[in-house]
Amino acid sequence: KNEVEQSPQNLTAQEGEFITINCSYSVGISALHWLQQHPGGGIVSLFMLSSGKKKHGRLIATINIQEKHSSLHITASHPRDSAVYICSLSADGLTFGKGTHLIIQP
Amino acid sequence: NAGVMQNPRHLVRRRGQEARLRCSPMKGHSHVYWYRQLPEEGLKFMVYLQKENIIDESGMPKERFSAEFPKEGPSILRIQQVVRGDSAAYFCASSPHPMDTQYFGPGTRLTVL
Repeated sequence: KNEVEQSPQNLTAQEGEFITINCSYSVGISALHWLQQHPGGGIVSLFMLSSGKKKHGRLIATINIQEKHSSLHITASHPRDSAVYICSLSADGLTFGKGTHLIIQP
Repeated sequence: NAGVMQNPRHLVRRRGQEARLRCSPMKGHSHVYWYRQLPEEGLKFMVYLQKENIIDESGMPKERFSAEFPKEGPSILRIQQVVRGDSAAYFCASSPHPMDTQYFGPGTRLTVL
C-alpha cells in the first residue's frame, strides 16, 4: 500500500511569502494530484502530473519520480490562498495525504 | 459547461433510514469517483465508476454502501440503514478519461441523527 507523507501539516506565513508544500510517497505511481480544499469545504483540482513541472498562475507543481517526491509552490502568497492542500496519488487505487493547512496572514 | 453537480447539498437522516446521494458529472465526462471526508479527517477514496460499470470499489465499506452510474442519469451513492458514523461530507468528481484531472462537485453533507 502506498504511504503518502505531506509536510508541513500546518503552515502560517505572511502575505507575499514563497510557500512550499511537500509530498513524499513510498511506491511507484501513475499520476499525482494536488487538490485545494477551501475553508467552506469545496475542493478544486489544481494539478495532475506524472513527470516534470506544471505552472498555473502563481502555483507551480513539480514531481521527481526517482525520488518519489512532489512539491507545490505558491509565489507571492495571498490570504485567499489560505486552504488545505492535499496530495493524492494514483497507483493501485487512490491514496490521499492528510493535507497541509495553510494560513496566509495579511 | 456546468461543473459537477451534487444533490442534495445537505441531507439529514435518522438512524436506519436510507440516504441517496446524486452526482451529475461534467458534460462529456464518463468517469465518476466518490470520496468521503469524515469530520476532522482527510479525504478517502470510495469507488470509481465508468458508465454502467464499477471499475474500482476498493474503498467502499463492505455492507450497506452501493454505487451505480447508469447509462442515463446521475451517479448514485446509496447508503442503507445509516448509522451516526456515516455522517460525513461525500464528494463526487468526474473526468473525461481515466487518470485525467478530476473535477470535484460541491459535496453532500450527510448528517445522521
